[in-house]
Amino acid sequence: GQNIDQPTEMTATEGAIVQINCTYQTSGFNGLFWYQQHAGEAPTFLSYNVLDGLEEKGRFSSFLSRSKGYSYLLLKELQMKDSASYLCAAMDSNYQLIWGAGTKLIIKP
Amino acid sequence: IAGITQAPTSQILAAGRRMTLRCTQDMRHNAMYWYRQDLGLGLRLIHYSNTAGTTGKGEVPDGYSVSRANTDDFPLTLASAVPSQTSVYFCASSRLAASPDTQYFGPGTRLTVL
Repeated sequence: GQNIDQPTEMTATEGAIVQINCTYQTSGFNGLFWYQQHAGEAPTFLSYNVLDGLEEKGRFSSFLSRSKGYSYLLLKELQMKDSASYLCAAMDSNYQLIWGAGTKLIIKP
Repeated sequence: IAGITQAPTSQILAAGRRMTLRCTQDMRHNAMYWYRQDLGLGLRLIHYSNTAGTTGKGEVPDGYSVSRANTDDFPLTLASAVPSQTSVYFCASSRLAASPDTQYFGPGTRLTVL
């Protein structure tokens, strides 16, 4: 079956670095997406990886290892506004997104 | 402002009633999607449309129907609502269909079925 696993909740300190892991199992693979979702709001796109390696975009970076079925989202210089849920989603062979349940990130001052 | 709008924002509905959730996008995107989001679960695809005039079933289509008469609108209908359909419903769109293109989400509709 198709499955996405990511931690339910993480806590980090303002100004620090946090890494949110995601493992996936899909029928075929057309890339890995990360979305951010603030409470009560819509998901918004953060990153897309289809090749192995690290993609850096400002304070956020995303890594992919296709052979391991593994990705992570790295957030640097954490700010209070980064408190949100981070959703990992893998695109299968039918170009449908399979979503994880999300990781709720709590930032403490 | 370009984007996706959904209506209503929230709704409380008696079981057995018919309900249509509206979704409109003004980005001229080809593909549109309906998801439901429940606590502790990932977003689950209900129905999708790759282009006007075509629709397809997602992971959890039972109890829901959709239509795509034009590019901009993609309504979702619950023919006879049941309590298990209590959820937050998100409409999304992407410029390209059947490709690894970014999906953009509407603000959601919070539906409670009693």
